[in-house]
Amino acid sequence: DSGVTQTPKHLITATGQRVTLRCSPRSGDLSVYWYQQSLDQGLQFLIQYYNGEERAKGNILERFSAQQFPDLHSELNLSSLELGDSALYFCASSPIDGAYEQYFGPGTRLTVT
Amino acid sequence: GEDVEQSLFLSVREGDSSVINCTYTDSSSTYLYWYKQEPGAGLQLLTYIFSNMDMKQDQRLTVLLNKKDKHLSLRIADTQTGDSAIYFCAEKSHGATNKLIFGTGTLLAVQP
Repeated sequence: DSGVTQTPKHLITATGQRVTLRCSPRSGDLSVYWYQQSLDQGLQFLIQYYNGEERAKGNILERFSAQQFPDLHSELNLSSLELGDSALYFCASSPIDGAYEQYFGPGTRLTVT
Repeated sequence: GEDVEQSLFLSVREGDSSVINCTYTDSSSTYLYWYKQEPGAGLQLLTYIFSNMDMKQDQRLTVLLNKKDKHLSLRIADTQTGDSAIYFCAEKSHGATNKLIFGTGTLLAVQP
């Protein structure tokens, strides 16, 4: 158990809908990262937050957004969902910005029908 | 650019050693990692190595880094059926972002 929690574990929704994925980092970690794992794209970095502020952006679609709250938990919002958004979404955390260890949560499996 | 490549599949017998290989292209990589993913589970950090090291050993795991050839390997000694999983190699580049670039993953199948 990495100490990173993600909810929900599974999510099934229809095209065009909007969902919110939630992540709680390990106790004391200030940095949160979001990754997407899909069959065709593999594991890809989406976005990083550090202590409430956006730190880095990767291959994140404009339909997706994220935020980190004062209690350091983070939410990833996915809107206007398409079939191709079906994937495993992972959250990871690290103690500080630039820390070499990132600890991953169990992931949220999103299925868009 | 940034690219990390791994072979897709490796099959070994229980008790043998497994060697999983990875090549990367970014010469400015500062840290290189091995993660393990079991079916239906998240990514477990197994080990990492700094780019100024060439070897790291941690119990049954040995990581070898050839910086000149940009080649990373993970050796698992006395492989057990519980080691069956997908193993991902990842790199963290020097620079402003802290994203990890992952390889495609190698499925390790351990035959009893």
